[in-house]
Amino acid sequence: GENVEQHPSTLSVQEGDSAVIKCTYSDSASNYFPWYKQELGKGPQLIIDIRSNVGEKKDQRIAVTLNKTAKHFSLHITETQPEDSAVYFCAATIYNFNKFYFGSGTKLNVKP
Amino acid sequence: GAVVSQHPSWVICKSGTSVKIECRSLDFQATTMFWYRQFPKQSLMLMATSNEGSKATYEQGVEKDKFLINHASLTLSTLTVTSAHPEDSSFYICSAHRGSPYEQYFGPGTRLTVT
Repeated sequence: GENVEQHPSTLSVQEGDSAVIKCTYSDSASNYFPWYKQELGKGPQLIIDIRSNVGEKKDQRIAVTLNKTAKHFSLHITETQPEDSAVYFCAATIYNFNKFYFGSGTKLNVKP
Repeated sequence: GAVVSQHPSWVICKSGTSVKIECRSLDFQATTMFWYRQFPKQSLMLMATSNEGSKATYEQGVEKDKFLINHASLTLSTLTVTSAHPEDSSFYICSAHRGSPYEQYFGPGTRLTVT
C-alpha cells in the first residue's frame, strides 16, 4: 500500500517568514494530494489540494508543488501569521480508490 | 457548503458500556463516509469505510464486533463502540465524500474518554 512520509515533525518560524512542509509518497499511482490543517481539538480542514496533472497550485498565501518523478509534494505558506499555528497533514490517494493515506503531521508554530 | 457534523463532541463513559457517535453530512449526500481514530500528537488512522446501504469495510486490525458502523442514510453514519475499555479512549473523526472521489470533508471529531 501507499506510504506517506512527512517532514519536519515540528516547525517554528517568526511571523512574516515562510514555512515549507514536505511529503513523499511511495505509490506512483497516487494522483491526488490534499493538505489539511488541524487545530487543537478539531477535525482536519482542507486548505489546498493538487492533482497529478498539475505541478503547482496557489491560493493566496498558500501554495503546493508536486514533483511526480521524485514522488514528493510540498506545502508553502508565505507571510505566516500566528493564526497559521496548527498541525498540518499531507495525504495521498488514488482516484476512485477513496482511501486516503496521511502523513505523520507537522506542528507549525508561528511566533509573533 | 460541505459541512460535516459529529455528535457528541465529547463523551465520558464507564468501562463496559457502549457509546454511539453520529456523523452527519449537513448540506450534501454522502454515499461513502470514513471513520478515523487519532491518538494524541499522532496522525489519523483509518478504521473503516462506511457505505450507505451496505456493510462497512474495516481496516486490518480493527475489530468489527467492537466498532459497529451503520450507514443508514445518505447523510448519517454511526459508530458504536461496544463494551468500551480505557484503551478505547481516543479522538474519533469521521469524513464524508462529496461528489468526486477527491472531495473528502472531515467532521470536528468526538473525544471519547472511558473511565
